[in-house]
Amino acid sequence: GAGVSQSPRYKVAKRGQDVALRCDPISGHVSLFWYQQALGQGPEFLTYFQNEAQLDKSGLPSDRFFAERPEGSVSTLKIQRTQQEDSAVYLCASSQPRRSGRGNEQYFGPGTRLTVT
Amino acid sequence: GNSVTQMEGPVTLSEEAFLTINCTYTATGYPSLFWYVQYPGEGLQLLLKATKADDKGSNKGFEATYRKETTSFHLEKGSVQVSDSAVYFCALSAFTFSGGYNKLIFGAGTRLAVHP
Repeated sequence: GAGVSQSPRYKVAKRGQDVALRCDPISGHVSLFWYQQALGQGPEFLTYFQNEAQLDKSGLPSDRFFAERPEGSVSTLKIQRTQQEDSAVYLCASSQPRRSGRGNEQYFGPGTRLTVT
Repeated sequence: GNSVTQMEGPVTLSEEAFLTINCTYTATGYPSLFWYVQYPGEGLQLLLKATKADDKGSNKGFEATYRKETTSFHLEKGSVQVSDSAVYFCALSAFTFSGGYNKLIFGAGTRLAVHP
């Protein structure tokens, strides 16, 4: 596709519900990142995939958060038993790594705004 | 650890005024530096970047110079327009050799409002 797409754009969940957020990266991009952006803050790294391999999940805030990218393209971020503190915008980004490893641009989707009531 | 600090907003300017948004960083190694912009209702877009000391990134009249001696990457524009109203994020890219990837570390963002 032309850019990174995410769905749904908005999600309201009751506390305790499970949610699944989808990311479609730019076609052919090897790298995929998930970030969490709380209101009034900058995005914070959650997890990273290189193709289907999840190489870094150091930013996932708890074991209620789970991400997958089974075929190396579309990714899903799942949050189990949502809590109010999970309310945030969840951003997905994709990129193509450079040989030098420096300065490669990440292309961001529009985000999914999750509100837990 | 790696971190980014940028000036708090909101910054309110009149059209054609000069803009500076300060950004300083702490990093191990030699990060790449970025400015991203978020227009109302839209996703993050890369505005400019610099990958090594003394590099100047520029785009759409915006400029920022990678200053290693002061660990800074301040964003400037000589004459702002109403259409520049947005939230601006400074970020650094920490390269992870073991995985061969860069994750971005962002500042808190600075909201700019430009009035006619």
